[in-house]
Amino acid sequence: GIQVEQSPPDLILQEGANSTLRCNFSDSVNNLQWFHQNPWGQLINLFYIPSGTKQNGRLSATTVATERYSLLYISSSQTTDSGVYFCAVVTDSSYKLIFGSGTRLLVRP
Amino acid sequence: NAGVMQNPRHLVRRRGQEARLRCSPMKGHSHVYWYRQLPEEGLKFMVYLQKENIIDESGMPKERFSAEFPKEGPSILRIQQVVRGDSAAYFCASSPRTIRGELFFGEGSRLTVL
Repeated sequence: GIQVEQSPPDLILQEGANSTLRCNFSDSVNNLQWFHQNPWGQLINLFYIPSGTKQNGRLSATTVATERYSLLYISSSQTTDSGVYFCAVVTDSSYKLIFGSGTRLLVRP
Repeated sequence: NAGVMQNPRHLVRRRGQEARLRCSPMKGHSHVYWYRQLPEEGLKFMVYLQKENIIDESGMPKERFSAEFPKEGPSILRIQQVVRGDSAAYFCASSPRTIRGELFFGEGSRLTVL
């Protein structure tokens, strides 16, 4: 099956710093989503981005489907950005949303 | 427009008891998916249902687990004779069409087996 690898696995930032999270996948995809799981366990939709670039406030994402990767940018990080960021994909030959193992982010005040 | 509603949010069961988790999809959504998240891990697909039909249950354990999505009412994930290894967060997601569209997740049900 498809492999979804996220990097880095862990990230510690000082409040106000910028960061880039990466998601690599091993097969062609037609759906890619980024989620934020907050410290209370809630899973929040960030982006639905099978290709191209989107921005939402301090967050933006870019997916280059032909090169099989997606990037999530967090600018001017805040303590409320802490949590785990998941990338999830659906391959062309399936319909199951497959999750990566996540990037655990801690933003310190 | 209410999101995906799951209940209970927290459930404690003793070994051997039954656990029932409920999920009401977003209004207008007819596709429901259940995922399980073990502690410190990502989410794993369990089952995909449409109204009155199980489309794919390839991620469900062969025994003790079952799921349904009746014509009326919420989707139910049922775990019989729970064991400690069933302790996890169970998330439900819905979409207006097949999974190739965007999925929206509920807040999860956290099962603890004593």
